[in-house]
Amino acid sequence: DGGITQSPKYLFRKEGQNVTLSCEQNLNHDAMYWYRQDPGQGLRLIYYSQIVNDFQKGDIAEGYSVSREKKESFPLTVTSAQKNPTAFYLCASSTASGGYNEQFFGPGTRLTVL
Amino acid sequence: DQQVKQNSPSLSVQEGRISILNCDYTNSMFDYFLWYKKYPAEGPTFLISISSIKDKNEDGRFTVFLNKSAKHLSLHIVPSQPGDSAVYFCAAIGTGGGNKLTFGTGTQLKVEL
Repeated sequence: DGGITQSPKYLFRKEGQNVTLSCEQNLNHDAMYWYRQDPGQGLRLIYYSQIVNDFQKGDIAEGYSVSREKKESFPLTVTSAQKNPTAFYLCASSTASGGYNEQFFGPGTRLTVL
Repeated sequence: DQQVKQNSPSLSVQEGRISILNCDYTNSMFDYFLWYKKYPAEGPTFLISISSIKDKNEDGRFTVFLNKSAKHLSLHIVPSQPGDSAVYFCAAIGTGGGNKLTFGTGTQLKVEL
């Protein structure tokens, strides 16, 4: 079954710790994205990658880092520098970035900082 | 600066009636628009899209209308069903944007029996 998986679904972290959120897709998509959603707000783009070994900052990249070593994987690290990390994190993927292609989303990871 | 706005945070409609969700945008470089539906604790799912060269796109019970001069689009759901109760996000892509989506803040639709 093709799709996007994110793990874990719920994640708790102590303040000051780094944490890595997993995102894997088997849709053979070139492009992958990370968003965060806060209550009453839309999805805001953190980082995106159009091809392996390349990625760009989105609108709210501060305090986050990513890597894209494999086409199917795009992990997101929430660092201790992120001032307000508690949120719902969504990973998405799409076909080649040229043109207009819908993005497919994973089920999300809810991160809570204690 | 919110470039895509959904000014109604919530909407309540009776089953069988029409639901109309609205979205306004400010960036004239946006030329492709999408609607996503989202249930709690799940990722959004794509519903329908429209290119700026069209003013209407229909898919079953869902129709999206685009008024470029007013920078306004709307999603019509008819007839509305209880399973349509969810948060609906409007999103936009700019020309040459590399598929970067700019989302609105969402509208919570509740379809009542």
